Amino acid sequence: GAGVSQSPRYKVAKRGQDVALRCDPISGHVSLFWYQQALGQGPEFLTYFQNEAQLDKSGLPSDRFFAERPEGSVSTLKIQRTQQEDSAVYLCASSFSGGYSNQPQHFGDGTRLSIL
Amino acid sequence: ILNVEQSPQSLHVQEGDSTNFTCSFPSSNFYALHWYRWETAKSPEALFVMTLNGDEKKKGRISATLNTKEGYSYLYIKGSQPEDSATYLCARGASKIIFGSGTRLSIRP
Repeated sequence: GAGVSQSPRYKVAKRGQDVALRCDPISGHVSLFWYQQALGQGPEFLTYFQNEAQLDKSGLPSDRFFAERPEGSVSTLKIQRTQQEDSAVYLCASSFSGGYSNQPQHFGDGTRLSIL
Repeated sequence: ILNVEQSPQSLHVQEGDSTNFTCSFPSSNFYALHWYRWETAKSPEALFVMTLNGDEKKKGRISATLNTKEGYSYLYIKGSQPEDSATYLCARGASKIIFGSGTRLSIRP
């Protein structure tokens, strides 16, 4: 499809397991963003890529969270040694332009992560 | 105001009525203000990106205004329809955008 694609849609993991969440942005989009959304809250910024460069990772909550976009297209968000507080919806978004731009961000459907 | 704040948190409106809600944000170092509509089980959909003080944008029955000096934006929906039921999110920023918690709108038939 033409939109942002995220997989899996749902992920259940036991506490302590590692998980990997995938994002396929819209083809040609320079910027890619990851957000974490807790129930009843707005999305919270995690990290931002411009092409393959991770320009801002200030929102990653701990060193257990790691994101990469090695070829400037698909991105993976990895969470190591998951904790119950990691349970949330993880949203990926992409936009056409890089840097300071007034382009809207296009979101995927998200991955709902539940840690047991 | 330190964060992006939206009010009310939730709203119930009769079909056909018009409604509006508010987004408040820090006015310093402003770059852009975004509005998104997020329907249940779908992805957030961009409505508007606004950058200029006094800007007004319109998309069908939905419109938005922006006051960057005092740090607020209003979203208006004219003649609400059931398909308008969604959470409306505003966000401030450029590359790193900070979201409010949203206004959850329910339209009663």
